[in-house]
Amino acid sequence: DQQVKQNSPSLSVQEGRISILNCDYTNSMFDYFLWYKKYPAEGPTFLISISSIKDKNEDGRFTVFLNKSAKHLSLHIVPSQPGDSAVYFCAASYRRSGGSNYKLTFGKGTLLTVNP
Amino acid sequence: KAGVTQTPRYLIKTRGQQVTLSCSPISGHRSVSWYQQTPGQGLQFLFEYFSETQRNKGNFPGRFSGRQFSNSRSEMNVSTLELGDSALYLCASFYGTSETQYFGPGTRLLVL
Repeated sequence: DQQVKQNSPSLSVQEGRISILNCDYTNSMFDYFLWYKKYPAEGPTFLISISSIKDKNEDGRFTVFLNKSAKHLSLHIVPSQPGDSAVYFCAASYRRSGGSNYKLTFGKGTLLTVNP
Repeated sequence: KAGVTQTPRYLIKTRGQQVTLSCSPISGHRSVSWYQQTPGQGLQFLFEYFSETQRNKGNFPGRFSGRQFSNSRSEMNVSTLELGDSALYLCASFYGTSETQYFGPGTRLLVL
């Protein structure tokens, strides 16, 4: 059962335009969400995160939106740059009150290609 | 501050052998998680250690094991290697109560 889904395996955008990457989740217990960027043969690089108590978090060109009722989050990159071309992973975790669960559940990733 | 380091970066083994991978977390981080990445299954959680204790374990067979030392460095071991164990093994470190995990470059294991 895939609890975190990234339904678009790939996305292609023009340099300077907005990139929107989407992620859906099924487990309502998830309360923390992260986006990672990954180049081939390298480890994932943390980009941005959001707690379930918020609906938006912004960091420079990256903004993450969370819609809890729809169990959906998205990553917006504005403006997109060729160096943003990579695989983007959505991840989720949940911490029960007083719990110690630090497992990240990942989506399968979306390959973003930004064309010059 | 130095990032997460993993050694070795590449490894070739044959079926039936065992392998040990090493991870050094970011200075000050006391938690280490391990993940396996394969083309078919994506990134899957193996286990997580905090202060030398395994806190969480993923759904992997007992051939996969790990440990953490007092300096927070961690090792994972895979015994009786199978072809399907070929993967990128990633280690992540974080503060004990933080949600954000920082990944190392990974160890690429090829089992022949």
